Amino acid sequence: AQSVTQPDIHITVSEGASLELRCNYSYGATPYLFWYVQSPGQGLQLLLKYFSGDTLVQGIKGFEAEFKRSQSSFNLRKPSVHWSDAAEYFCAVGAPEYGNKLVFGAGTILRVKS
Amino acid sequence: NAGVTQTPKFRILKIGQSMTLQCTQDMNHNYMYWYRQDPGMGLKLIYYSVGAGITDKGEVPNGYNVSRSTTEDFPLRLELAAPSQTSVYFCASSYDVETQYFGPGTRLLVL
Repeated sequence: AQSVTQPDIHITVSEGASLELRCNYSYGATPYLFWYVQSPGQGLQLLLKYFSGDTLVQGIKGFEAEFKRSQSSFNLRKPSVHWSDAAEYFCAVGAPEYGNKLVFGAGTILRVKS
Repeated sequence: NAGVTQTPKFRILKIGQSMTLQCTQDMNHNYMYWYRQDPGMGLKLIYYSVGAGITDKGEVPNGYNVSRSTTEDFPLRLELAAPSQTSVYFCASSYDVETQYFGPGTRLLVL
């Protein structure tokens, strides 16, 4: 079965600084990979997804992520963080043989300091 | 489109009580899901459905039941509430594997 690890529970960055959130997955083949964001008291919103093709994917709100098969990673990046990016970020993995079911990581809480 | 709606937003239950969490989507999605979210644990899949009349267990189904009589609705039933079911519950729907759309969540406290 697939699994997802987000090694960082909390990350604090200064506004305007760059951001990288880590995600590692366990799966034998190329999975479907997702990043979701959750603002306080809200549901989850899809930031970006990777299924195949170009390993660098662009998402909403200026986020991007890079799939690295050799490292089983799908790290989320943003070149310049805004205070409104403060939220919890979840990496998720799916696979064809598991239908539409996703497995989520534990999440990383991003704090932005001014 | 309202997307995915959930009711109630918040509920306090006593141990042993039962309740139904409602979920409705207006996107004509075949796939629907129920997750629970606990601090530091991410989201865990409780039940899911691939279409009206078809449901299956997820990772943490014990203590819950679901039904799917229509495409739009996917209620989650708690029969005998326990403190371990204190959590935030999210319903989601999707057309296919690409994107799941989430509701705003139901916060449940069992005392």
